[in-house]
Formats: sequence, C-alpha cells, structure tokens
Amino acid sequence: GESVGLHLPTLSVQEGDNSIINCAYSNSASDYFIWYKQESGKGPQFIIDIRSNMDKRQGQRVTVLLNKTVKHLSLQIAATQPGDSAVYFCAENRGRGGNKLTFGTGTQLKVEL
Amino acid sequence: DGGITQSPKYLFRKEGQNVTLSCEQNLNHDAMYWYRQDPGQGLRLIYYSQIVNDFQKGDIAEGYSVSREKKESFPLTVTSAQKNPTAFYLCASSIRQGASDSYEQYFGPGTRLTVT
Repeated sequence: GESVGLHLPTLSVQEGDNSIINCAYSNSASDYFIWYKQESGKGPQFIIDIRSNMDKRQGQRVTVLLNKTVKHLSLQIAATQPGDSAVYFCAENRGRGGNKLTFGTGTQLKVEL
Repeated sequence: DGGITQSPKYLFRKEGQNVTLSCEQNLNHDAMYWYRQDPGQGLRLIYYSQIVNDFQKGDIAEGYSVSREKKESFPLTVTSAQKNPTAFYLCASSIRQGASDSYEQYFGPGTRLTVT
C-alpha cells in the first residue's frame, strides 16, 4: 500500500558533523512535505516544509531536498548539536484536498559528544 | 500566549472505563486532529474536524469518539470498545484548507494514557 517510510530507524552522528535523514514516499500525487522533530514525551515541532514545485528549501541549519523522480525526501542538519537529538518524522499531504498529513515511522537521531 | 493545551499529561484508567482527553487551542484554527502514537511508531490519525460541528473518521477511529461543539475545543473519548487503548495521544490544529500554502499542523504536548 501507499506509505511514507524512512530508510534508517536510528542515526548516530558526532557533535559538529552534518546529519542526513532520509524519507521515501510512494504517492506521486503528494504536493506538500513537512519535517517534524519530536523530543521524548513531547509533541512534534515543525522544522521545515516544502511544496512539490520546489526541490530545495533552506532554514536555519536545516535544508530539505525533494527528489520527485525517485520520490525521496531528505533533511540535512548542519553542525549537529546535542539538542538535535530527537525523533524526526517526515509527513506528506497527498493532494486529495483537506489538510490531512500522513506520517512516516520516524528516525531516531543520536548525537554523540 | 497562543498554543494548544492537552490535559492531563498522564492519565490512568481501569479496563472497561471510558475516558475523555481534553484538547483546547487559542490559535483560531478551524481544523483539529487527534493522533495516536505507539512506542517506536509514527502518528496514526484517529479523527479530524475541518470545522465546528463536523468531523470525520481517520485511519483508526474504531473505539474512539469525538465532538466539536466549539472552535477551540476537540475532546476525544476513548471507549471501552477500544481494544488496545494504552498509548500517547496527540492533538493538533491547523488553519483552514486553502487559506495558506502550508499544511503545517501545530501539536499539543500530548497525553499518555495507561489502561490496566
């Protein structure tokens, strides 16, 4: 069935290194993608979003890349810090109207000192 | 200070009892959502409401009920018919469809429900 999935359940990086979190999606009609960060026991927080008419968008220390050809989305975090340790979710709006988002299963990012 | 509040943070119930989780927002958002999150898993949509007095089932609505009598409130009742109710429940809200290019949902802090 259609799904939003992640390549790696856990990603460990050294403090100061760049992190890349990947997400695959299967619905070619999806027109909007969003990344959330969730710390343990808390609600998800918005990081960055991108529409399907773009292939790159940058924020503060974060960049989202969208490759529609292979239905792949990635989140890059520059100079990873201990405070970046969390679970990261990608989500998509499948373009059928409405504001519903379909979430992936998440990637745990662990930052090692 | 705008945002979404969920109460309580932790909730304990005996099996067979109905329980209602509170969600309130002062963001003036039209749409509200309830998700369930199990350990190591993503968010699954239970119910959503695009406007007051209207709501639709999400992917896992069985054993749950909601109401949307006020714009700012969207309570979720976990009934005794829900076979596996222990989970982390998240409420979210967003602006109305078509009002923006963004589909961002704003999340509350969550309620952890334990049923024994």
